[in-house]
Amino acid sequence: DAGVIQSPRHEVTEMGQEVTLRCKPISGHDYLFWYRQTMMRGLELLIYFNNNVPIDDSGMPEDRFSAKMPNASFSTLKIQPSEPRDSAVYFCASSLQGAPMVPQHFGDGTRLSIL
Amino acid sequence: KQEVTQIPAALSVPEGENLVLNCSFTDSAIYNLQWFRQDPGKGLTSLLLIQSSQREQTSGRLNASLDKSSGRSTLYIAASQPGDSATYLCAADYGGSQGNLIFGKGTKLSVKP
Repeated sequence: DAGVIQSPRHEVTEMGQEVTLRCKPISGHDYLFWYRQTMMRGLELLIYFNNNVPIDDSGMPEDRFSAKMPNASFSTLKIQPSEPRDSAVYFCASSLQGAPMVPQHFGDGTRLSIL
Repeated sequence: KQEVTQIPAALSVPEGENLVLNCSFTDSAIYNLQWFRQDPGKGLTSLLLIQSSQREQTSGRLNASLDKSSGRSTLYIAASQPGDSATYLCAADYGGSQGNLIFGKGTKLSVKP
């Protein structure tokens, strides 16, 4: 079975540019999560969706960050304009709805470097 | 504030040794506690999930325990192997929903052959 697929795997861009990260969750999964991982702060939840609807975006750091899920098989995380402090590894994860105790399945992440 | 702490940040052991990784959480009102493994350049893989009503979970050479009253969880790895080398993260679920995982920063384990 295909896991969570993220693209690109690596992104290097200059400050001020728009960055779009993409995620394809596991087919049939109802929840989708976006995380950010840095050495200083560890792994932080940015936003999560249930059935394509954003449920909690309290972790989104600033208005420069936005996320969409136009359908059950695709989500984007956009940063505009990007800043050097946005450099991190961004993970997407998905999980099934229904069972109260189910693990989240993670993609391999996008390593973002803002110069 | 709900926080999860993992000590030590890094651990190196010889192959074959039994070892324990520690995780502590500030708020005991958790729904479950999960242990993940992260290999370099990869995402997280769920290893074990302990519900708040349980005391431990086992999978192969891994055993995770949970003590809510003391705010602690441990991950025991028996007969460690070089292939166990990775970063191990614990995460506390406070929401009972899918989105409220609070992660520790992980323990980087190195098992020397």
